[in-house]
Amino acid sequence: SQELEQSPQSLIVQEGKNLTINCTSSKTLYGLYWYKQKYGEGLIFLMMLQKGGEEKSHEKITAKLDEKKQQSSLHITASQPSHAGIYLCGADGGGGGADGLTFGKGTHLIIQP
Amino acid sequence: GAVVSQHPSRVICKSGTSVKIECRSLDFQATTMFWYRQFPKKSLMLMATSNEGSKATYEQGVEKDKFLINHASLTLSTLTVTSAHPEDSSFYICSASAGFTEAFFGQGTRLTVV
Repeated sequence: SQELEQSPQSLIVQEGKNLTINCTSSKTLYGLYWYKQKYGEGLIFLMMLQKGGEEKSHEKITAKLDEKKQQSSLHITASQPSHAGIYLCGADGGGGGADGLTFGKGTHLIIQP
Repeated sequence: GAVVSQHPSRVICKSGTSVKIECRSLDFQATTMFWYRQFPKKSLMLMATSNEGSKATYEQGVEKDKFLINHASLTLSTLTVTSAHPEDSSFYICSASAGFTEAFFGQGTRLTVV
């Protein structure tokens, strides 16, 4: 079965600083999803990556998938308090999500003013 | 993106009672719905996959008699936690998919069993 390891588990960053969260898969990634979750709330879809070397950006968040399709990173530039939350990476098993997603344990991001 | 509505968002129930959680796709037909449970430090774990009109497929270790899933229509799936106990207290999230496309998540339900 596929396993996703996220690092770091938690991160405290001063407002305005940049940060990176990593997600490493035990198997080749077919679809890699990034979500943000505020504690006790639903998931907010951020981005999905499928192709090796793919990079997507939305506002100040950039996600990349490496050429080997086993590692993804999420980079936040000039962090803001609104970026605080839990970031989860999820992977599908090749069925486009039709078989559900496997998730990493999440990265808890705290933004210090 | 598509909208998935989950209800209730929070529920408190007494030990031994049953609780039903609804998951609705509001603007698309969800041929497949997924139910996840969130464990502390273990992120979201897939509990079961349900396809409209057929029995749900449960992941290993999930008690099908305890967590009853019904997917009676293309827009509604329900998860019933039967004879709930405090250890069933958790955060449950559904997601819905229209086949080989991205799955959209509901807002989640915080269940507390007292």
